[in-house]
Amino acid sequence: DGGITQSPKYLFRKEGQNVTLSCEQNLNHDAMYWYRQDPGQGLRLIYYSQIVNDFQKGDIAEGYSVSREKKESFPLTVTSAQKNPTAFYLCASSLRTDSYNEQFFGPGTRLTVL
Amino acid sequence: GDSVTQMEGPVTLSEEAFLTINCTYTATGYPSLFWYVQYPGEGLQLLLKATKADDKGSNKGFEATYRKETTSFHLEKGSVQVSDSAVYFCALRTPGGSQGNLIFGKGTKLSVKP
Repeated sequence: DGGITQSPKYLFRKEGQNVTLSCEQNLNHDAMYWYRQDPGQGLRLIYYSQIVNDFQKGDIAEGYSVSREKKESFPLTVTSAQKNPTAFYLCASSLRTDSYNEQFFGPGTRLTVL
Repeated sequence: GDSVTQMEGPVTLSEEAFLTINCTYTATGYPSLFWYVQYPGEGLQLLLKATKADDKGSNKGFEATYRKETTSFHLEKGSVQVSDSAVYFCALRTPGGSQGNLIFGKGTKLSVKP
């Protein structure tokens, strides 16, 4: 079955630690995205990538980093510089970044900082 | 900048009631419009979409019509079920930009009681 997988489902981190969230897709999509979801605030874009070896900052990129070494994979690292990292993180992909291409979402990773 | 405004929730309805969730948008150009649904603890699923004015998106009994004159994309369902309880997000994507990301409303939580 084609789709997007994210792991782990739940992640706990101590303050000062970096953590990496996994996102893999087998839809052969060029574009991938990371969103952060906070209660009552909808989703906000962290980073996106239109093609392998290329990525761009979104609206709230500070304290995060990404890589896109393979078409299928777009891992997100939450660094210790992120002041308030506790949130629900969603990865998405689309065939391209054209406006009419729908985005498909993974099941999400809930990160909690202890 | 581009934005989406949704009616605030939560919305509580009895089974078989009529549902309307209002969504209005501000955007340059001619955006594509989407409704996504999020069930508890899960990622987002595309519910329906419309890519040009007067298009009607429909799926699973839900409908929304792209109204350019009122910049609206209201979600409706004639008879809701308990299984429709979820958070609903209205979103847009504008053409021509390099970002290609979705801009979301804050979400409307729907609870359907038996």
